[in-house]
Amino acid sequence: EIVLTQSPGTLSLSPGERATLSCSASQTISSSNLAWYQQKPGQAPRLLIFGASTRATGIPDRFSGSGSGTDFTLTISRLEPEDLAVYYCQQCGKSPGTFGQGTKVEIK
Amino acid sequence: EVQLVESGGGLVQPGGSLRLSCAASGFTFSNYEMNWVRQAPGKGLEGISYISSSGNTIYYADSVKGRFTISRDNAKNSLYLQMSSLRAEDTAIYYCARGGYSGYVSFGYWGQGTLVTVSS
Repeated sequence: EIVLTQSPGTLSLSPGERATLSCSASQTISSSNLAWYQQKPGQAPRLLIFGASTRATGIPDRFSGSGSGTDFTLTISRLEPEDLAVYYCQQCGKSPGTFGQGTKVEIK
Repeated sequence: EVQLVESGGGLVQPGGSLRLSCAASGFTFSNYEMNWVRQAPGKGLEGISYISSSGNTIYYADSVKGRFTISRDNAKNSLYLQMSSLRAEDTAIYYCARGGYSGYVSFGYWGQGTLVTVSS
């Protein structure tokens, strides 16, 4: 089983700051099978990034994804108050897919 | 507009059974893989089951293997999860999610979830 480890567990930043979220895999993942999701309080998850670096429809360009192999990154270039959420990485190459434990982004 | 609507959740005793449904609309259901993902209270996401577009290929997480059965009815645009031998640790919100987004396997669309509580 592929294990995804996200860091940090919680990120507390001010509006306008840059957020860097990491996702490390226990074995090499194809970039096409790495996705990021955003889950706001009380809501279902929403796809942010697929194929490691492509934004889903309607996702603001302040969100970007990068990485390959075992190390992937989600960057929020300028935090907005509405970015308060938990962010999950997922490998979806081996069904039913596995998720990281999540990074909670708090807005100061 | 793609819509996924789960139903069938509720309170069930340990050892009991429950059947969840997911009604799909806004896309050609028979063309897409589908998944069940759950989230225990205050916890993260866990992918628990996958079914291919035809229903011929199925996978389960170890945590539910032998107890849960995924199925689909492409004529009714519906996905199902039959849950048996339920345990307290199965308490969670259960989401259905469509696989396949712009040619990738990511879960592009999610339902709002249905809550399953296993308790005596």
